[in-house]
Amino acid sequence: AQSVTQPDIHITVSEGASLELRCNYSYGATPYLFWYVQSPGQGLQLLLKYFSGDTLVQGIKGFEAEFKRSQSSFNLRKPSVHWSDAAEYFCAVVRAAGNKLTFGGGTRVLVKP
Amino acid sequence: DVKVTQSSRYLVKRTGEKVFLECVQDMDHENMFWYRQDPGLGLRLIYFSYDVKMKEKGDIPEGYSVSREKKERFSLILESASTNQTSMYLCASSSRQTYRNNEQFFGPGTRLTVL
Repeated sequence: AQSVTQPDIHITVSEGASLELRCNYSYGATPYLFWYVQSPGQGLQLLLKYFSGDTLVQGIKGFEAEFKRSQSSFNLRKPSVHWSDAAEYFCAVVRAAGNKLTFGGGTRVLVKP
Repeated sequence: DVKVTQSSRYLVKRTGEKVFLECVQDMDHENMFWYRQDPGLGLRLIYFSYDVKMKEKGDIPEGYSVSREKKERFSLILESASTNQTSMYLCASSSRQTYRNNEQFFGPGTRLTVL
């Protein structure tokens, strides 16, 4: 069965600093991968997705993610964090049967002024 | 814009009560989902529906049931609420057209407390 691991439960970063969130997946075939963000009191919003092609994917709000098959990773990055990036971030993989997602446990990001 | 709405943002119920959580989407999506979100566990799928009157158990269906009488509406039912069902419940929808490429669109969530 597919699984997704986000090793960091909490990350604190200073405003203006760079951010990297880790995501490791377990999946036999080519994975379809997503990153979602959940701002306080909100539902989940899609940041970006990877299906095939270029392994560096650009998303909304200045985020990007890099797919590395050799490391089974899909890490999310942002060069310069803004206070509004404080949120919880979830990595997800499409299940083999399609339609359904398996989510990681989430990483909560705190932004210091 | 796709809109997924949930009937309540906050709900407080007593143990043993029957609880209904309602979800409505306005994009004519075939697929609808109910998740619960708990700290450190991420989102776990409770039930999934791929068409009207069709449903499929997710990873943690025990203690829950669902109803989908109309395409736009998907209800989650807690037959007899228990304290371990205190959680955030998220509804989502997606199109079946793009199969594995499909993005799920989420509602704002209902935070349920069972006393």
